[in-house]
Amino acid sequence: NAGVTQTPKFQVLKTGQSMTLQCAQDMNHEYMSWYRQDPGMGLRLIHYSVGAGITDQGEVPNGYNVSRSTTEDFPLRLLSAAPSQTSVYFCASSFGTGTEAFFGQGTRLTVV
Amino acid sequence: GNSVTQMEGPVTLSEEAFLTINCTYTATGYPSLFWYVQYPGEGLQLLLKATKADDKGSNKGFEATYRKETTSFHLEKGSVQVSDSAVYFCALSVRRGGYSTLTFGKGTMLLVSP
Repeated sequence: NAGVTQTPKFQVLKTGQSMTLQCAQDMNHEYMSWYRQDPGMGLRLIHYSVGAGITDQGEVPNGYNVSRSTTEDFPLRLLSAAPSQTSVYFCASSFGTGTEAFFGQGTRLTVV
Repeated sequence: GNSVTQMEGPVTLSEEAFLTINCTYTATGYPSLFWYVQYPGEGLQLLLKATKADDKGSNKGFEATYRKETTSFHLEKGSVQVSDSAVYFCALSVRRGGYSTLTFGKGTMLLVSP
């Protein structure tokens, strides 16, 4: 009964470091997305995928890379972390268009 | 483009009070509309949804009606409980070619006191 699992839950990075935020879902959903949540800004879409091998940019893609080699996994990579990337990151998955999105518990990232 | 505007919070109510959180939207095409709720320290979870004009979504005593003429999807509950304290997000989804993505409002924090 896992749903969407994100790791790690908390992370502190130094400016310029790289890291990968992991996201896995066990519901066989085609759609997966990454959002960042900042105070007073709501959730903003970073990247999304409509199936294995297919990804596209969202509203705020700069500084982030994604790939989707399997249906289950959708990692988010920060190549060179910046303080502006301090945020809470959520991964979500859904079965298809207009259907319910299931969210992970989030990763709180601080870049110093 | 697509956007969602919801009332700023926090909304502070006493237990058993009536709740309204306003939400209006701008969209190209025919959106599906959603309310998500986020409890402290957790991810978002779907509260209710409506997929076409005049549909009413309902769950756990919350209701919202898809009003195309006013481009609104206001969230209501007749009698709130302390356990309803959370952040509520209005969102829309519009099909773009074969895809659709969610656009969220900024969220409204609800605080209910005993």
